[in-house]
Amino acid sequence: NAGVTQTPKFQVLKTGQSMTLQCAQDMNHNSMYWYRQDPGMGLRLIYYSASEGTTDKGEVPNGYNVSRLNKREFSLRLESAAPSQTSVYFCASSAQGGTEAFFGQGTRLTVV
Amino acid sequence: KNEVEQSPQNLTAQEGEFITINCSYSVGISALHWLQQHPGGGIVSLFMLSSGKKKHGRLIATINIQEKHSSLHITASHPRDSAVYICAAHNTDKLIFGTGTRLQVFP
Repeated sequence: NAGVTQTPKFQVLKTGQSMTLQCAQDMNHNSMYWYRQDPGMGLRLIYYSASEGTTDKGEVPNGYNVSRLNKREFSLRLESAAPSQTSVYFCASSAQGGTEAFFGQGTRLTVV
Repeated sequence: KNEVEQSPQNLTAQEGEFITINCSYSVGISALHWLQQHPGGGIVSLFMLSSGKKKHGRLIATINIQEKHSSLHITASHPRDSAVYICAAHNTDKLIFGTGTRLQVFP
């Protein structure tokens, strides 16, 4: 009963370093999402993938890239980390738009 | 103005009190979600509704499509209900989140 699995749970990066956040779901969901959560703000959509092979920008895509590797996996890449990308990142999935969403446990990223 | 607004931002209650959290949205939706985020950070889905009312245990969610408004009620609140409650509007393929309501229930 894994649901949505995110790795890592915590990460500290230096400015300019790169990293990839991994997300996998075992519910055969079509739609997958990456959000960031900052104090005082709601979760904001970075990128989403409505189906395998497609990705679209969300509200705050700058500085990020994504890959929908297959139906299970959706990764988020920071090519050159900046302090403004310090945040908690959540991956989520749903069968399709308008159905219940399931969230990973989050990744707390600090960029120094 | 945010597309999804929640009120209040913070709420404290004594154990046993009836709690209401409100959510207003300005976008077209296919569904409205209520989510719970505990201090550990994990987010779980409580309700998804597109009309009327849903009940699960002590939690009740209602939605008025015409008024673009939803409420989450907690009856007989308990300290374990302490969490951040988030509403989210499902708009096409995307979820648009409110900023959350932080609830603390004291014994």
